[in-house]
Amino acid sequence: AQTVTQSQPEMSVQEAETVTLSCTYDTSENNYYLFWYKQPPSRQMILVIRQEAYKQQNATENRFSVNFQKAAKSFSLKISDSQLGDTAMYFCAFMKLLNFGNEKLTFGTGTRLTIIP
Amino acid sequence: KAGVTQTPRYLIKTRGQQVTLSCSPISGHRSVSWYQQTPGQGLQFLFEYFSETQRNKGNFPGRFSGRQFSNSRSEMNVSTLELGDSALYLCASSADRGTDGYTFGSGTRLTVV
Repeated sequence: AQTVTQSQPEMSVQEAETVTLSCTYDTSENNYYLFWYKQPPSRQMILVIRQEAYKQQNATENRFSVNFQKAAKSFSLKISDSQLGDTAMYFCAFMKLLNFGNEKLTFGTGTRLTIIP
Repeated sequence: KAGVTQTPRYLIKTRGQQVTLSCSPISGHRSVSWYQQTPGQGLQFLFEYFSETQRNKGNFPGRFSGRQFSNSRSEMNVSTLELGDSALYLCASSADRGTDGYTFGSGTRLTVV
């Protein structure tokens, strides 16, 4: 079974600064996907960024980028120029692919990020 | 484009009752997954439906069941409610295999008293 570990329960950073959230995972699979989701107080989980394991290039979405280290099974999220709207719970998630159909998302325990004005 | 719609937003039930939650996926999405979120256990996968068939199931007791209709709308049912079933239930939809990521609804907050 896959496990996802987020070792930072809470983090806070000043507005406009850069912050990095850590995520490690454990799997014997070779073909999988990794995601970062944010969950603001509105409760809706919002996809921030995704990474395909077979792609070595790190994914980037505007101010959000990842550092994907496949051998180390590490998948950290960097938020640049942080904004007040980035305040949320951030979840790292793992998904392997079955031959047919969707595999479930396995989530970490989350990191509560607070952006300080 | 409408997002994933879950109804109701809040629900209070008594121990022993049963409850049905509804999820309407994004138009064109045929896969619907359900997750339970609690402070103690975090986010846990319940089940996934595709074209009216359950394709994957998590490790939950048989009191938790679901179904999907021909228009891809899905319902989950919990029978004989227990206090521990109090949670946020999230629904997520995807076009097929979820490789582009899932789109989640805002959830149904169920409180069992």
